[in-house]
Amino acid sequence: DSGVTQTPKHLITATGQRVTLRCSPRSGDLSVYWYQQSLDQGLQFLIQYYNGEERAKGNILERFSAQQFPDLHSELNLSSLELGDSALYFCASSDGLAMNTGELFFGEGSRLTVL
Amino acid sequence: AQSVTQLDSQVPVFEEAPVELRCNYSSSVSVYLFWYVQYPNQGLQLLLKYLSGSTLVKGINGFEAEFNKSQTSFHLRKPSVHISDTAEYFCAVSEQDDKIIFGKGTRLHILP
Repeated sequence: DSGVTQTPKHLITATGQRVTLRCSPRSGDLSVYWYQQSLDQGLQFLIQYYNGEERAKGNILERFSAQQFPDLHSELNLSSLELGDSALYFCASSDGLAMNTGELFFGEGSRLTVL
Repeated sequence: AQSVTQLDSQVPVFEEAPVELRCNYSSSVSVYLFWYVQYPNQGLQLLLKYLSGSTLVKGINGFEAEFNKSQTSFHLRKPSVHISDTAEYFCAVSEQDDKIIFGKGTRLHILP
């Protein structure tokens, strides 16, 4: 158990809909990262927050947004969903900036299926 | 921008045989390098990391990796694999900033 909690574990929805994925980092961790894992693209970095502020952005679509709240949990919002958004979405956390610690702790992921 | 290439999408190997999973990276600056493992239906967990110092890095479960700056490689090795090593292995790189970029992964299949 990594200590990172993601909900929901599975989600099935229809095209055009909007969903919210939630992540609770390990106790004390200030950084939260979001990744998308699909068979054809592998593990793609989406976005990172540190203590409530956005720190780094990757290949995140404009239809997607995220935030980190004062209690350090994070939410990833996916809107106007398309079939291609079906994937496993991982949240990871670290106790500081990754460049200092080098280790991310991953949740078990939220599997999104868009029909 | 940094990138990571894992040359093999799948590697079959017999139990108790040695294995090498290849990883090459591209970056114009100094990097940190990582190998993560993903067991079936689980999240990723860190196997080992190179931040600085000795280029031979030892990790958990008997794995090790060697950083080769001239060849921009960070290959993962284990002298004798077990059935329990069946998993997907991801190489990752960071340009010492907040982004950690992962390769597409290599599935290790252990044959009895």
